[in-house]
Amino acid sequence: GQQVMQIPQYQHVQEGEDFTTYCNSSTTLSNIQWYKQRPGGHPVFLIQLVKSGEVKKQKRLTFQFGEAKKNSSLHITATQTTDVGTYFCAGPHSSNTGKLIFGQGTTLQVKP
Amino acid sequence: SAVISQKPSRDICQRGTSLTIQCQVDSQVTMMFWYRQQPGQSLTLIATANQGSEATYESGFVIDKFPISRPNLTFSTLTVSNMSPEDSSIYLCSVEDWGRKGKLFFGSGTQLSVL
Repeated sequence: GQQVMQIPQYQHVQEGEDFTTYCNSSTTLSNIQWYKQRPGGHPVFLIQLVKSGEVKKQKRLTFQFGEAKKNSSLHITATQTTDVGTYFCAGPHSSNTGKLIFGQGTTLQVKP
Repeated sequence: SAVISQKPSRDICQRGTSLTIQCQVDSQVTMMFWYRQQPGQSLTLIATANQGSEATYESGFVIDKFPISRPNLTFSTLTVSNMSPEDSSIYLCSVEDWGRKGKLFFGSGTQLSVL
């Protein structure tokens, strides 16, 4: 079945270091989304990428969508303790019924 | 944006009992989605709840175990029936953003522990 895979599962960084999480889909996606879940919280939408090769920035966060629309990455520059949480990528199910398939998530820990 | 109120926020239940989780949205939505997030894991879709029709369940989830009601366009319930410790998870309801297809808003979740 359709899968969205994400690596790494965990990442510990020193505050100020950069961080990247990678997402790969088994199928071509019409779009890809990123969500952040703080410890004890619920997932919150960060961004949606639609175009092949698209790059979007949100302050220290840079999101990329691959040319083949099957992979994506989230890069955080100079991490801060507020970046702690789990980052999920998600792609629409091929049935086009509004369902999302989530990656396994990357949990980021930032040491001050 | 949509504001979703989900309750209870957490509960501790005994094996064999049932728990009903409620999800109230501040606007009318066509589809509501129920997800399960097991400890330290990703989100797995349980079912899609459409108003006026039976919920659509994903592989591995059945109506007898997770009955869903959707009486109107702003409300849904998910019941976890005949619970076992394996049902200990966070249960999340979510709705799609009208303004951006595919974007989901999530409720705050129900953390369920089954003893």
